[in-house]
Amino acid sequence: KQEVTQIPAALSVPEGENLVLNCSFTDSAIYNLQWFRQDPGKGLTSLLLIQSSQREQTSGRLNASLDKSSGRSTLYIAASQPGDSATYLCAVRPRRSGGGADGLTFGKGTHLIIQP
Amino acid sequence: KAGVTQTPRYLIKTRGQQVTLSCSPISGHRSVSWYQQTPGQGLQFLFEYFSETQRNKGNFPGRFSGRQFSNSRSEMNVSTLELGDSALYLCASSRLAGGNEQFFGPGTRLTVL
Repeated sequence: KQEVTQIPAALSVPEGENLVLNCSFTDSAIYNLQWFRQDPGKGLTSLLLIQSSQREQTSGRLNASLDKSSGRSTLYIAASQPGDSATYLCAVRPRRSGGGADGLTFGKGTHLIIQP
Repeated sequence: KAGVTQTPRYLIKTRGQQVTLSCSPISGHRSVSWYQQTPGQGLQFLFEYFSETQRNKGNFPGRFSGRQFSNSRSEMNVSTLELGDSALYLCASSRLAGGNEQFFGPGTRLTVL
């Protein structure tokens, strides 16, 4: 059974710092990995999608990497801003043994606070 | 292009009742998935529909069911509500099933008293 772990569970840093959020998963049989942010009481906003054949994706100040063989992904946030404060969730889309894809398996998230 | 919409946004029910939640996917998206989010268990997959057929199902009891219509809109139903069903229910759509990027709606907050 696929399990996703995110470290750290919470992080508080001053504005302007570069930071790295970590995600690990137990089964490398995945279609893709997606990073989301969630603001309190809201839905999920997709940040980056990395297909299993890719190593990284970039969007603005965000960069996500994927090492499928070791079961790891990192989300790098450059020059953090107070508006980046949110919970960041990592999710993998597992491949089913009989073909096709299972639903997303999520980590518990990293609660990020950027201090002004 | 409009995003994923969910109705209602908030619901309060009592134990034993049933509830129906609705999701309209992004225009052109044919796959709809449902997830439950609770403080204790986090986000858990309920089921996925594509072309009116259930493609995947998570590990939830049979009280949780869903369907998809020909216009790709989806509903999920929870019968005989329990206190533990209180959660944020999130719907996600993607263009196709499988490895496509999923886009989430704002969710329906269900409170069971």
